[in-house]
Amino acid sequence: DSGVTQTPKHLITATGQRVTLRCSPRSGDLSVYWYQQSLDQGLQFLIQYYNGEERAKGNILERFSAQQFPDLHSELNLSSLELGDSALYFCASSVVSRGQAGELFFGEGSRLTVL
Amino acid sequence: AQTVTQSQPEMSVQEAETVTLSCTYDTSENNYYLFWYKQPPSRQMILVIRQEAYKQQNATENRFSVNFQKAAKSFSLKISDSQLGDTAMYFCAFMTTGAQKLVFGQGTRLTINP
Repeated sequence: DSGVTQTPKHLITATGQRVTLRCSPRSGDLSVYWYQQSLDQGLQFLIQYYNGEERAKGNILERFSAQQFPDLHSELNLSSLELGDSALYFCASSVVSRGQAGELFFGEGSRLTVL
Repeated sequence: AQTVTQSQPEMSVQEAETVTLSCTYDTSENNYYLFWYKQPPSRQMILVIRQEAYKQQNATENRFSVNFQKAAKSFSLKISDSQLGDTAMYFCAFMTTGAQKLVFGQGTRLTINP
């Protein structure tokens, strides 16, 4: 158990809909990362938050948004869903931000299926 | 931009054998970190081993060791005395101290046969 909790584990929805994925980081970790794992794109970095502020942005679509709340949990919002958004979405957390690379601890992922 | 390449999509070995997974990366940075992550069928990403680029000594964790060749930008993973539980996808990943994001390779699917 990594200590990172993601909900829901599985989600099936229709095109055009909106979903919210939730992540609770390990106790004490201030950084939260979101990754998308699809069959054709591999593991893609989406976005990072540190203590409530956005710190790095990757290949995140404009239809997607995220935030980190004062209690450090994070949510990834996916809207106007398309078939190609079907993927495994991982959240990871680490204790550090800049200046040193900390180990990332990954949750079990949220499997999103768009029909 | 940093890229990570794993040239072996799939590998298969017999239990107890030694197997080496390849990884190359491209960066202009001098300070960075390299990782191998394992993803078993349970989907969880598990850190196997990490290497700091400023360290010349290759990292070792029990049966897992790396061959880090900084000039060649190569970072291979050796698994000794392979076990059935080593069956998984293995991802090589790269992180700079500034960027704080992991860049992953495409993965190598490793199967350990009894």
